[in-house]
Amino acid sequence: DAGVIQSPRHEVTEMGQEVTLRCKPISGHNSLFWYRQTMMRGLELLIYFNNNVPIDDSGMPEDRFSAKMPNASFSTLKIQPSEPRDSAVYFCASSPRGGLGALYGYTFGSGTRLTVV
Amino acid sequence: DAKTTQPTSMDCAEGRAANLPCNHSTISGNEYVYWYRQIHSQGPQYIIHGLKNNETNEMASLIITEDRKSSTLILPHATLRDTAVYYCIVRATGANSKLTFGKGITLSVRP
Repeated sequence: DAGVIQSPRHEVTEMGQEVTLRCKPISGHNSLFWYRQTMMRGLELLIYFNNNVPIDDSGMPEDRFSAKMPNASFSTLKIQPSEPRDSAVYFCASSPRGGLGALYGYTFGSGTRLTVV
Repeated sequence: DAKTTQPTSMDCAEGRAANLPCNHSTISGNEYVYWYRQIHSQGPQYIIHGLKNNETNEMASLIITEDRKSSTLILPHATLRDTAVYYCIVRATGANSKLTFGKGITLSVRP
């Protein structure tokens, strides 16, 4: 299994531009999570999906952020317009839901390092 | 989810056991203790979890006190590659439970 795949690995963009981060979860995992990590705030959960349905988006910082999961094998996190304070590493994670597998927690991707200048 | 308390940092010598403590005095009966680690520039990695019994796998051992108010992660023979931030997390299993990370403890393994 290739694990959770995120793209791009690095993104540098100018303030005001739209940014789209992509994630492919592990096949068979029903839950998908988007986290953001900064030095100041650590790892923060932004939003998570169960069976492609958003369950909790209370961590999404503001309306400039949106996330979608059109099918079980793909999710996007979009920032429009981007601002310098959005600079961070964004991680996607997936987990099996239900059954014994759910006890084993999440598998994280390698992250996307976003720099907004 | 209940909160956890961990020291900010610790170090140990390569080849020796690393014992990482965690306090979770408000843990509920249906909440598990999870440990993750994050090596620099990588995503967090699952290590081990437990409810009330001690657990061991190929990476580490987890010792949970009888009252479940604290636990210790043991890396039996630490290597330089074990240098990382280790997160102790308490989480209830269930369809909508979340994994919430604190600040973790930075373990430095010295040669």
